Amino acid sequence: KAGVTQTPRYLIKTRGQQVTLSCSPISGHRSVSWYQQTPGQGLQFLFEYFSETQRNKGNFPGRFSGRQFSNSRSEMNVSTLELGDSALYLCASSPGVLAGGYEQYFGPGTRLTVT
Amino acid sequence: DAKTTQPTSMDCAEGRAANLPCNHSTISGNEYVYWYRQIHSQGPQYIIHGLKNNETNEMASLIITEDRKSSTLILPHATLRDTAVYYCIVRDQGGKLIFGQGTELSVKP
Repeated sequence: KAGVTQTPRYLIKTRGQQVTLSCSPISGHRSVSWYQQTPGQGLQFLFEYFSETQRNKGNFPGRFSGRQFSNSRSEMNVSTLELGDSALYLCASSPGVLAGGYEQYFGPGTRLTVT
Repeated sequence: DAKTTQPTSMDCAEGRAANLPCNHSTISGNEYVYWYRQIHSQGPQYIIHGLKNNETNEMASLIITEDRKSSTLILPHATLRDTAVYYCIVRDQGGKLIFGQGTELSVKP
């Protein structure tokens, strides 16, 4: 089976712009979660989508949003970018909803740099 | 907040067993312990998870103490490619992974 894929792998944006990142989960997986990783804060949970519905949300401002499509592919959007949004954004897929205790499989991440 | 504490770093000689400890003294009776590792700038890789019995797979073994307050991940024959940050995680009620700072394992020739 192909793993989790994320596009693009690298991105450079300017403060104030918005960005959309894409994630394709492992075939058959219906839950997609997003994480942000920075040197200062480590890996932090952003949100989880299952069957096109947001099931879980971390402590991030409303500038961070996401959605999931009927084929389980997911996108996350960050509006009005700030320098502090520079990070590695990771997508992880699971066969079922996170509360069911399924293990998560991570993609390679998208490296976002905000200048 | 992460429910686990791990040493910041450890060294291991190539070919020897790497034993990575983790404390999770506040773990609840139905919470699993998960281990992931992250090689520099890649996505975290699932290793193993367990509830109370010891577990083994092709990558590692997981030993959980009887009181479940701590566990040890064992890589039986560490190689240079096992150099990574290892995360011990107890998932929160909603199931999401709460990562701590992890243990940076350096396998040396």
